[in-house]
Amino acid sequence: GESVGLHLPTLSVQEGDNSIINCAYSNSASDYFIWYKQESGKGPQFIIDIRSNMDKRQGQRVTVLLNKTVKHLSLQIAATQPGDSAVYFCAENVYGNKLVFGAGTILRVKS
Amino acid sequence: SAVISQKPSRDICQRGTSLTIQCQVDSQVTMMFWYRQQPGQSLTLIATANQGSEATYESGFVIDKFPISRPNLTFSTLTVSNMSPEDSSIYLCSVDVRGTGNSYEQYFGPGTRLTVT
Repeated sequence: GESVGLHLPTLSVQEGDNSIINCAYSNSASDYFIWYKQESGKGPQFIIDIRSNMDKRQGQRVTVLLNKTVKHLSLQIAATQPGDSAVYFCAENVYGNKLVFGAGTILRVKS
Repeated sequence: SAVISQKPSRDICQRGTSLTIQCQVDSQVTMMFWYRQQPGQSLTLIATANQGSEATYESGFVIDKFPISRPNLTFSTLTVSNMSPEDSSIYLCSVDVRGTGNSYEQYFGPGTRLTVT
């Protein structure tokens, strides 16, 4: 079927390596940020979130870093696996639980 | 988390017709959202649907084109009216679920892939 990531930037990594996906957000008043993973033919899947009063948060194999000074968000995936291949989106909560999504990045894991 | 289903999962429609997409959640939620994802692009919020009130539309989206119903706390519909090929997209519903602390985590349905010919 058609991929939702046809026109998005691509990050290719070797299986087992660490991946870093970056995102620039637009609104300095945003207080909450989320990373989503979207596999082909599926809806976005919640990965990890971070509030604006934090600069780092760790989950299982994933870490999100927030730099409010330059309005930058990153997602680090440790020991990347083939199952991590997907499109990754950051999203910011601008107001009223309404999310504004970033452009997205395709992650391709080479075995 | 929440389990969200959408019907239909995909459809091919002729221009000028309308399609109603259903979204069902396995628990009662206050806020439901409808997004559009055009081919190869990111998600854009269409509107917020709260039970018992009119939906709130984002800039560029209007009720005549995308009427929304929210009859109860577990269900919503989005209609794409008078369709044109430019409406070909994936349409997704999402809900807010309380996460850790005071945060709300937003979960998405599987999407409805619409092709207009």
